[in-house]
Amino acid sequence: AQSVAQPEDQVNVAEGNPLTVKCTYSVSGNPYLFWYVQYPNRGLQFLLKYITGDNLVKGSYGFEAEFNKSQTSFHLKKPSALVSDSALYFCAVISGLSTDKLIFGTGTRLQVFP
Amino acid sequence: DAGVTQSPTHLIKTRGQQVTLRCSPKSGHDTVSWYQQALGQGPQFIFQYYEEEERQRGNFPDRFSGHQFPNYSSELNVNALLLGDSALYLCASSLAVLRETQYFGPGTRLLVL
Repeated sequence: AQSVAQPEDQVNVAEGNPLTVKCTYSVSGNPYLFWYVQYPNRGLQFLLKYITGDNLVKGSYGFEAEFNKSQTSFHLKKPSALVSDSALYFCAVISGLSTDKLIFGTGTRLQVFP
Repeated sequence: DAGVTQSPTHLIKTRGQQVTLRCSPKSGHDTVSWYQQALGQGPQFIFQYYEEEERQRGNFPDRFSGHQFPNYSSELNVNALLLGDSALYLCASSLAVLRETQYFGPGTRLLVL
C-alpha cells in the first residue's frame, strides 16, 4: 500500500535558524512527491514538487526539498526560518501510471519563534 | 487570474440530511478532485472528475457522489449525513496530465449535528 509518513507532529525553530520538516514515503514504482502548506482556516498552498531530474528541488518562499531514493525521503528545508512560516505542512505522493490520487501524510506543525 | 473557488465556506447540517458543495476550478484547468480533511488529519481523496465523468474514486461510500459540468465546475453531494462526515472538504483543480500539480481551494467546512 502506498503511504507517506511525517514522523514529527510539531517542529519548533527560532527565527533565522535553518528548518527541516521530514517526510518518508512508501510506493510501488516511481514516486512523484509534493509539499503543501496550510494556514489556519485556509486550503492547501502548493510549495514544490519532485517529478524527475535533480534531487534538490527549489520552490516558493525560499523552501527547497531533497529527494533521496535510497532513504525514500523527501525532506523540506529552508536556510533561514521566518515567523510567518509558522503553519501546517503536508507531504504528499502520487504513484503509478494511471492515478492522480494524492496520498497525504498527517502533517507537521511548524512553529517559528521570534 | 482567479484561483480555485468553493462555496459555501461553512455549512451546518443535521444527521440524515443531504448537502451539495460547489467548486470552480482555476482558469484553464479541466480536472477537479475532491478531498476530505478530518480534524487533525491529512486530506483523503474522494474522487476525481474529468470530461464530466468520474475518473478515479477513493475509499468512500456511495453516499458521496459528484458531478462535473461542461464549464469544468464541479459539485460534491453527500447523502444521509453522518456525524463522521464533519470535515473540511477541499476541491483541487489541475490539467488533464498525469501527476500535474493540483491547486486547492479554501475549502468548505461542514459540521453535522
